[in-house]
Formats: sequence, C-alpha cells, structure tokens
Amino acid sequence: SQQGEEDPQALSIQEGENATMNCSYKTSINNLQWYRQNSGRGLVHLILIRSNEREKHSGRLRVTLDTSKKSSSLLITASRAADTASYFCATDGGGAQKLVFGQGTRLTINP
Amino acid sequence: DVKVTQSSRYLVKRTGEKVFLECVQDMDHENMFWYRQDPGLGLRLIYFSYDVKMKEKGDIPEGYSVSREKKERFSLILESASTNQTSMYLCASTWGGLGETQYFGPGTRLLVL
Repeated sequence: SQQGEEDPQALSIQEGENATMNCSYKTSINNLQWYRQNSGRGLVHLILIRSNEREKHSGRLRVTLDTSKKSSSLLITASRAADTASYFCATDGGGAQKLVFGQGTRLTINP
Repeated sequence: DVKVTQSSRYLVKRTGEKVFLECVQDMDHENMFWYRQDPGLGLRLIYFSYDVKMKEKGDIPEGYSVSREKKERFSLILESASTNQTSMYLCASTWGGLGETQYFGPGTRLLVL
C-alpha cells in the first residue's frame, strides 16, 4: 500500500530556478523522510523531519511538514544540473515500523 | 560514512535458476531490508531483518526467501527465478527503529530470461 504520494510526477526547470515537490500521506506518522535517486543507482537519504517539526533546512534543501494536512514539501533552491534525479518521500506510517515510499518525482534541470 | 554494498550491479539469469543476491553493511546496523523497484510501482518491501537469524515478511515476499547468518550480511534468494522477478533490487540498512533513516546499496539490476 502506498503511504506517500508525490506530486508532480515529473518536473523540468531551468538551472538556477527553485524546484518544489509535494508529498501527501494517509495515516499518522512519527517522521517523514526525503530521498534522492540518481538514474540506475540506490537511494540517498536527504533529510528527516519529525512529526513535531514544521520546517527543516539542509544546505539548499528546505522541507516543510503539515501534519494537519498530511503533507510535506521539498524545496530545492538555486537548482543545478547535478540535482537531476528522482526524489522520493517515505513515511513510517506511525506504528508501521517500516518505511513506505511514494512513487517519486522525476526532476530534470536543464542547463 | 555508512557503506552498503551489493554483490552485483547487473545480473542475467535463466528461468528456474536459483539466484542469490548479497548485501553487506559495515556500520553494525541491526536492521536490514530488501526492496524491489519497478517502474510505476515504486519501492516495495520484500523482507526485512531486525537481528541475526530474524526475518519478517514485507509486502511482497512470495517467490523470495532471505538469510541473515551474520549481522553485517543479508541475502535475498530467488528459489526458482521467473521472468516477473526481473527488476531492480535494493538493499538498505538502518540502526535504531525500523522507521529511521535507511542507507541504501547501489542496487542490483536483475534480468531473468
């Protein structure tokens, strides 16, 4: 069962622009995570935000969490060609004791 | 840095063959996971292990088995490979709770002919 659903499925922007991806989920959570996957590779953890946090920053990444709307967003500022990848949100589904991944947003940064 | 390695990047097998995919992590993590990733279906959990010799079924365990004889190593076994098991297989590990940050290997792309 899919817990996280990313939106949009694909996003194409120019280098230097900001990219925003959204994630919605269905059940209560303890934390929500964002991962990046370059083509044909494994996933790399980007950021974890706990249910009692509203916003978190890491370098050019900004993640927000709205538990009342069961949604999160990932903002990448000043995008670079190297940011081209698929981005996944993952939730722990409260007491599910495992991560459930969405299907991802494919981000393309055009030079 | 945590390192998770998988035995092969690419693998081609024939229908009916027994296939072993191995995963090794070097950070003494208690929990290890096997996923498969398919276009349009995202990542799906096959099996996970929270301790040596302990295993739990994930969402799609049919056709697979696992082995964890040592803490650092988690093997995925396809007893009799079928074409519908052609996929990207990803191993991950984590310390602490099962819902915490996972560290992934590079993946094995398996083609079953």
